[in-house]
Amino acid sequence: GQNIDQPTEMTATEGAIVQINCTYQTSGFNGLFWYQQHAGEAPTFLSYNVLDGLEEKGRFSSFLSRSKGYSYLLLKELQMKDSASYLCAVRPNTDKLIFGTGTRLQVFP
Amino acid sequence: EPEVTQTPSHQVTQMGQEVILRCVPISNHLYFYWYRQILGQKVEFLVSFYNNEISEKSEIFDDQFSVERPDGSNFTLKIRSTKLEDSAMYFCASRTGTGGPQPQHFGDGTRLSIL
Repeated sequence: GQNIDQPTEMTATEGAIVQINCTYQTSGFNGLFWYQQHAGEAPTFLSYNVLDGLEEKGRFSSFLSRSKGYSYLLLKELQMKDSASYLCAVRPNTDKLIFGTGTRLQVFP
Repeated sequence: EPEVTQTPSHQVTQMGQEVILRCVPISNHLYFYWYRQILGQKVEFLVSFYNNEISEKSEIFDDQFSVERPDGSNFTLKIRSTKLEDSAMYFCASRTGTGGPQPQHFGDGTRLSIL
């Protein structure tokens, strides 16, 4: 089967760093994508990894280990506006995305 | 920045009625998708579409569902006879066809409420 796991909720303080983990088991692998979703809004693309290693995009970085079926999203210099759900999604051996349930991040002042 | 647009933003329909959700993908994109998200649950794949035909559909996408690209810009999802359990947020997404596994870009969604 296809399974993507991520923590349900996390909290952090403004200015801090937070790491959101994601583990996956899918039929094939052709990329892992991170999306941000504010309540009632569309998922917004943040970052993706196809090969092992770290991809950095400003305050956001994403890491992938294909052998471990593991990824994380790192958010630095947290701002209040970063309070949102963060969705881990995998593209398996077909052209679709399989989403995890999302991690709801609350940033406190 | 170009974006995927969806109309209407909210659709309220009686059970058993037909509904059509509309999407305008990003203009140079070649691959189109529909997903749905039931309130409080994860985003679920419905169907992918390329070169004027369905590439893949999920178990959710049964005979009540259909998709169409009636012209060069619109991409529609039709539900023939709606059920209460079809109430959800429906997202259209599109991606370019070049340069490896490009990310899908999502529209703002249509909230479908079945009464």
